Amino acid sequence: GENVEQHPSTLSVQEGDSAVIKCTYSDSASNYFPWYKQELGKRPQLIIDIRSNVGEKKDQRIAVTLNKTAKHFSLHITETQPEDSAVYFCAASDSSNTGKLIFGQGTTLQVKP
Amino acid sequence: ETGVTQTPRHLVMGMTNKKSLKCEQHLGHNAMYWYKQSAKKPLELMFVYSLEERVENNSVPSRFSPECPNSSHLFLHLHTLQPEDSALYLCASSQGPANYGYTFGSGTRLTVV
Repeated sequence: GENVEQHPSTLSVQEGDSAVIKCTYSDSASNYFPWYKQELGKRPQLIIDIRSNVGEKKDQRIAVTLNKTAKHFSLHITETQPEDSAVYFCAASDSSNTGKLIFGQGTTLQVKP
Repeated sequence: ETGVTQTPRHLVMGMTNKKSLKCEQHLGHNAMYWYKQSAKKPLELMFVYSLEERVENNSVPSRFSPECPNSSHLFLHLHTLQPEDSALYLCASSQGPANYGYTFGSGTRLTVV
């Protein structure tokens, strides 16, 4: 089945700097890759996603890139702000066609003012 | 609220108790999921229901028993749990096989004493 690895586990940046979180996946049939943000004590929320027919997608300060050949995808946050501090999870769909997502281990991002 | 409601928000139960977690979605989604979130671990998939049919049981112990009476409701019945089952239990829903992003509920924080 699908396996998703996420790095780093923790990331600390200064406000205004960029942050990059990387994930790799194992199932070449995966075709959907969402990213979730989970603030302390709250539910995970979808912030951006990308499908396998696209190499890059951007939404304001957030962008995701996908390299299908290498089976990795990354989240890029520019001009970070303290409110970006949270745990970020990547995920990949598996090939079972049930809509099932396999999640990475999570990255705790701290943005220092 | 995002359209996925979980009750109760917090639950403390003894190892000999029987309790149920409830999840309700009003988004018209046709797939629902139970995930377990423990400290310092990735989100662990427990069960997948697609069109009210269980399509995945991810090697979950029989002390966890899911039920999906219709496409809007999902239950997780608990009995004779262990302290290591203490965690945040998250319900999610999605459009299903088309691999759309999940909408998560707020979760039930379960403590087994």
